[in-house]
Amino acid sequence: DVKVTQSSRYLVKRTGEKVFLECVQDMDHENMFWYRQDPGLGLRLIYFSYDVKMKEKGDIPEGYSVSREKKERFSLILESASTNQTSMYLCASRDPGYLINTEAFFGQGTRLTVV
Amino acid sequence: DQQVKQNSPSLSVQEGRISILNCDYTNSMFDYFLWYKKYPAEGPTFLISISSIKDKNEDGRFTVFLNKSAKHLSLHIVPSQPGDSAVYFCAASEAAAGNKLTFGGGTRVLVKP
Repeated sequence: DVKVTQSSRYLVKRTGEKVFLECVQDMDHENMFWYRQDPGLGLRLIYFSYDVKMKEKGDIPEGYSVSREKKERFSLILESASTNQTSMYLCASRDPGYLINTEAFFGQGTRLTVV
Repeated sequence: DQQVKQNSPSLSVQEGRISILNCDYTNSMFDYFLWYKKYPAEGPTFLISISSIKDKNEDGRFTVFLNKSAKHLSLHIVPSQPGDSAVYFCAASEAAAGNKLTFGGGTRVLVKP
């Protein structure tokens, strides 16, 4: 069974802290994504990666960075957490599907609260 | 500017009746569309998809319709069941844009017994 695992379900951090959110997938997918979900705004793409050490900015990258040192692991970093980064964070992976279209698989989410 | 929009934030339907969820998009380069279902405190799970070369795809109680000229798709759930109560997200992707998924704002569905 395919699996995307996020390291924490719930996190509470203080303003100004550096925060690491980890995501691991076991499907050998090349593409990995970080989204945040906020009420009424749906899922907004923060960053994505299409290969090891490759990354691209999504729609809302400000205040975030990412790291992909190994194919199975994609980390989201909040350089200096702020209260407006309180949100549900969702990691996903997807096979590029060069010949066929494919769906993305999501982790269970990390509910981050910045106080 | 949102490229994928779900204009109805919520929908209430009686058990056994049809649920119709709508989604509009603006990017004519989108070539693959998906619906995801999400329960609170869980990640979204894939429900059904449709390629831009088709206008209908059916999987059990779920059918997705695509109208390319109107840039509109819809999800029909028949019959609706209480376990279908969740938030549903429409998503679209463009093969030339790195396979990222662009999501709508979601529609919360409540199925009443």
